[in-house]
Amino acid sequence: DVKVTQSSRYLVKRTGEKVFLECVQDMDHENMFWYRQDPGLGLRLIYFSYDVKMKEKGDIPEGYSVSREKKERFSLILESASTNQTSMYLCASTFFSGDQETQYFGPGTRLLVL
Amino acid sequence: SQQGEEDPQALSIQEGENATMNCSYKTSINNLQWYRQNSGRGLVHLILIRSNEREKHSGRLRVTLDTSKKSSSLLITASRAADTASYFCAPGTGANNLFFGTGTRLTVIP
Repeated sequence: DVKVTQSSRYLVKRTGEKVFLECVQDMDHENMFWYRQDPGLGLRLIYFSYDVKMKEKGDIPEGYSVSREKKERFSLILESASTNQTSMYLCASTFFSGDQETQYFGPGTRLLVL
Repeated sequence: SQQGEEDPQALSIQEGENATMNCSYKTSINNLQWYRQNSGRGLVHLILIRSNEREKHSGRLRVTLDTSKKSSSLLITASRAADTASYFCAPGTGANNLFFGTGTRLTVIP
């Protein structure tokens, strides 16, 4: 069974704190993604990774960084959290076969920055 | 932009009615996927239609694709309260990533 897990469902941090959001997939997928979801803005891609130690910026990478030391784990880092980073964060991994890709999402982490 | 744009942004119907949502995109695609997100939960893959297909069915779902117009539609027949969710389309370019729009918020009234 496909499984993408995220380390926390809810998180409360203070402005300026360093925040780590962890995502793990057990499907041996190469591609992993971090999105944030905000009301009226839909899903926006922050960073993605096609392989271990590889990362690429998405649409809104500012204020974030990522780490992919192992294939199954993709971490999102907020170096210095700010209130405008309060959001729902979704991790996903992609199964790619031929011309078809299917993306599997984790349950999300709702982050509140005070 | 590689993302799809869903229309309308919000849709409210009575249980038992059909719901139609549309998606437009700008790039060439290999396939187009529809996802559902229930409130407070993760995204669930619903159906994929390939660029050489015009229509596809899965249960109560019917998806059409018009590559000449760069558009797709998702029809949910005989809607149920449990269909209340946000629906997203994702054009697949074969580049190993998917980009989502803002979605259509469907409310099915019991």
